[in-house]
Formats: sequence, structure tokens, C-alpha cells
Amino acid sequence: DTAVSQTPKYLVTQMGNDKSIKCEQNLGHDTMYWYKQDSKKFLKIMFSYNNKELIINETVPNRFSPKSPDKAHLNLHINSLELGDSAVYFCASSQVVLAGPYPGNEQFFGPGTRLTVL
Amino acid sequence: GEDVEQSLFLSVREGDSSVINCTYTDSSSTYLYWYKQEPGAGLQLLTYIFSNMDMKQDQRLTVLLNKKDKHLSLRIADTQTGDSAIYFCAVMDSSYKLIFGSGTRLLVRP
Repeated sequence: DTAVSQTPKYLVTQMGNDKSIKCEQNLGHDTMYWYKQDSKKFLKIMFSYNNKELIINETVPNRFSPKSPDKAHLNLHINSLELGDSAVYFCASSQVVLAGPYPGNEQFFGPGTRLTVL
Repeated sequence: GEDVEQSLFLSVREGDSSVINCTYTDSSSTYLYWYKQEPGAGLQLLTYIFSNMDMKQDQRLTVLLNKKDKHLSLRIADTQTGDSAIYFCAVMDSSYKLIFGSGTRLLVRP
């Protein structure tokens, strides 16, 4: 199946731990994104990579570090997890960055990873 | 920066029309989107509109854009129980980032 996939789907961990969320897309897209959706469903972009290069980096604590080993993968590593990091994290991809909704350029979203920090 | 606002909740009866509203602040926004999120799933792009358009129709969906008032709406005709979901308005800002509203939870009653 062609899609954006994320692992794990659920992640429950203790405060202070370090964890990673993985994202893969097999759509052949050049650009990938990480979004955070808080408990009130507010969705906000965190990072964007285009061809393994960081192009969008919102005001996110430096405990969050994205890593893109190749253009099909964008992983999110979080150090020293805090209670406020609890959220659903969505990965997305699109054909081209910095462009509008041309045919085929919409963002495709993964199913999300629900992170719970205890 | 861009700010996008939506009402939180809408309840309609099956077969009625639903209208979900959204307001935004940046008048230079060029692309405006509607996404649907079903429980436990990611966001699915429903439709979009360019800022030089007033209306776009796509089957049961009608998008209306009032650029003067910075108001966007999504009308779903003949709403079905399968339309129950959270609907997000999103606006592309001047740096091509998608800025999302807080989502409107649509509940369709049988």
C-alpha cells in the first residue's frame, strides 16, 4: 500500500526518558513534515524536511530533534520527555515544499502516534 | 502570524446540510483548505480553494470564501452519519506553512 506510515501507534513512557517516533513514506515525495496535535486538537507544524534538508523549524524545544536518513524517512527523537510533550504526533509528506495545492501536491498525513508521558 | 479560528462543535440531523465556519487573519493567504479527521486516523484533505475564487463545489461539498471578511465555510449537503468527524480549516501562510484551526467536531444524529 502506498501511504505515510508511523511507528509506534501508541507510546507510553515516563518523564525524563528519551524516545523516537519513526515515519516512512513510499509516495516518492520530496518533502516530509512533523506536526503536533495537542489535547484540544490544535494542530501545529514542528519541522519540515525537503530532500533530507531541514527547511522549516518552528519554535520547538531543542529536546526535539528530527532526523532524515533519506527522503523517504523522517524520524523524531525526543530527549528528556516532559508531561507537556503528551500529544498526538503526525507525520506528513508532499511532493513539493513551498508551493500551493497543485494537483498531487497536497499533504498526505500518517495515522499519528499518540505519546503519553507519565 | 496567521491565526485561524473555528467553532468547536456542530450537531446536525442526518439528511440536513452542515455548515462549518472558519475565520483567519492574514489577508495575503493564497490557499485555504479543509481537512477531515476521523477517530484515531490522520487528516484527509477534503478540498481546497484559491484566494481568487469565491466558491468551489465538489459533489456534496461547497466551499465559500469571503475574502473581505476573511471567512471560509464548508457546506456538506445531505449529511450522513459517516460524515461525523473533526473538520479542520487550514490556511497557507506567506512562508507556505499550513496553519490549522482548532477543528470543528461534527456530530450527525440519525
